[in-house]
Amino acid sequence: GAGVSQTPSNKVTEKGKYVELRCDPISGHTALYWYRQSLGQGPEFLIYFQGTGAADDSGLPNDRFFAVRPEGSVSTLKIQRTERGDSAVYLCASSKVAGEVDTQYFGPGTRLTVL
Amino acid sequence: ILNVEQSPQSLHVQEGDSTNFTCSFPSSNFYALHWYRWETAKSPEALFVMTLNGDEKKKGRISATLNTKEGYSYLYIKGSQPEDSATYLCAFSPGTYKYIFGTGTRLKVLA
Repeated sequence: GAGVSQTPSNKVTEKGKYVELRCDPISGHTALYWYRQSLGQGPEFLIYFQGTGAADDSGLPNDRFFAVRPEGSVSTLKIQRTERGDSAVYLCASSKVAGEVDTQYFGPGTRLTVL
Repeated sequence: ILNVEQSPQSLHVQEGDSTNFTCSFPSSNFYALHWYRWETAKSPEALFVMTLNGDEKKKGRISATLNTKEGYSYLYIKGSQPEDSATYLCAFSPGTYKYIFGTGTRLKVLA
């Protein structure tokens, strides 16, 4: 079956611009996560959705970052007034339920470059 | 701050060699340890989820062991093949859905 998909695969933008990154989870998965991998680091947790609501957004670095999942399926990560430090690979994952032993299935990521 | 470390950062092996690498994690508040393989331009692929001290998991030529008391897991690849070239990530679950990832081990298998 189809896995997690993310679009675009690459995004180049200029400092100060607004970007949207999209995630299509595996059908039927209620839990959705966003992670960010900066150069030389492991992926870091940003936000977790259970259904339509953001159950935990404690990893969002500041108020320029926002994410939605209006119908409990597709999610969009939105970054306002991008900065060069936002350059990273943004990974989305989904799981059937949210728990420590439930495998999270990842998409291929969106590589964001802020010039 | 919970820290997950992986070693080595990178390694090159010859085709046919066996290899192993390490994931170290906090021994307290342990719930699960996940291993992923991430090939360039692809999605990270889930390899194993390990929950019990002494767990051993195997998938083809790849196997993993877990020691929760001392806080480490080993990943072994027997008879490495070029298609095993990837970054291997471990992720620690301290009782929540928030995975805490290591920085990964980049493996290159030379034909």
